[in-house]
Amino acid sequence: QSVLTQPPSASGTPGQRVTISCSGSTSNIGSNNVYWYQQLPGTAPKLLIYSSNQRPSGVPDRFSGSKSGTSASLAISGLRSEDDTDYYCAAWDDSLSGVIFGGGTKLTVL
Amino acid sequence: EVQLVESGGGLVQPGGSLRLSCAASGFTFSSYWMHWVRQGPSKGLMWVSRINGDGSTTHYADSVKGRFTISRDNARNTLYLQMSSLTVEDTAVYYCVRAVATATRGPGYWGQGTLVTVSS
Repeated sequence: QSVLTQPPSASGTPGQRVTISCSGSTSNIGSNNVYWYQQLPGTAPKLLIYSSNQRPSGVPDRFSGSKSGTSASLAISGLRSEDDTDYYCAAWDDSLSGVIFGGGTKLTVL
Repeated sequence: EVQLVESGGGLVQPGGSLRLSCAASGFTFSSYWMHWVRQGPSKGLMWVSRINGDGSTTHYADSVKGRFTISRDNARNTLYLQMSSLTVEDTAVYYCVRAVATATRGPGYWGQGTLVTVSS
């Protein structure tokens, strides 16, 4: 059971903007940075967002992150077919003294 | 370029032990926190453990505490995960992950993973 809650699925059409939510608590998102990862089938996860809203070099600016209170969001604008895959959020949890992941969201580009 | 290459995975019987290794290159290994993250078959990601740059601080997920030990050899640029008392629930791809940056400790850059299968 994940401590961070993500919707199991999301969808959008090419060119659209979609958001994926990640809900936590004061011991994790409320007091620590949030990370977002993209995982293509059969490959290792790739870092999309760190420190809640920072993009590593090489990640397109179509991807953006935000955080408010105990929730975070990943927004993807100008949706493309290659965005059709799994996304995970993560954060440090002060109570557990460990990193926790959301259960993952499968994004479908219709 | 950051490179992380895991090895040591394989088939092990319940109750057995296994040691995973992760060879790191392309960065100053001793300056970064390192993590192990696993992913069971058709499941989500689960954080396992992390260790700081000089190996003096470690953290573990409750499900592996007392059974797994993370360590590092900075002279060899290698991260380890010693696993014991393995159960079928430990079956997963195990990823070695470098922190995002020296001052940003969360998981950032991932290796390709090594598969551990616990089965009789």
